[in-house]
Amino acid sequence: GAGVSQSPSNKVTEKGKDVELRCDPISGHTALYWYRQRLGQGLEFLIYFQGNSAPDKSGLPSDRFSAERTGESVSTLTIQRTQQEDSAVYLCASSWLNTEAFFGQGTRLTVV
Amino acid sequence: RKEVEQDPGPFNVPEGATVAFNCTYSNSASQSFFWYRQDCRKEPKLLMSVYSSGNEDGRFTAQLNRASQYISLLIRDSKLSDSATYLCVVDTGNQFYFGTGTSLTVIP
Repeated sequence: GAGVSQSPSNKVTEKGKDVELRCDPISGHTALYWYRQRLGQGLEFLIYFQGNSAPDKSGLPSDRFSAERTGESVSTLTIQRTQQEDSAVYLCASSWLNTEAFFGQGTRLTVV
Repeated sequence: RKEVEQDPGPFNVPEGATVAFNCTYSNSASQSFFWYRQDCRKEPKLLMSVYSSGNEDGRFTAQLNRASQYISLLIRDSKLSDSATYLCVVDTGNQFYFGTGTSLTVIP
């Protein structure tokens, strides 16, 4: 596709369940970022991939959060044992070298 | 210390006003700089890159001060449609860092 694609666009899950969020970056983009944005709040950095390695995972809020990336393509963000405070929009962005980062439209996660 | 810091605002300005946002960054080796715009319930999108010599795009002017490690965005003749959150972005050459954004509301 032409842009960054995220799926699902919306996810409602019960507290305690695990969820997987997917990001398909722009083809050829080596860098991939995950952010969390709570309602009315700013972007909260979660993790950064360069290729399939994660040189910066300092933003992952707890060990319930993990992410992986296959080569220079798809990334999945997994949240285990979801809590209500995990409700947010999860945004993925990709970029190549020092050029602009492009965002996907996000996954809106609601934990009930 | 955060890599990028912005005043979250909110800035509420009347139509036609001039408004300026500043953003500071901590890594003196940072290489590229950008301003992004995020509309309510949308993803951030590039507004403009920031060049060392400063650059202008219509009513928008971006400037970089490497000595003081800050970038600025000036919006002249504000329009209602400028209401959004503006995020500054710094690329250290290894990684992008996004500020948390400054909220602008232009009032009729």
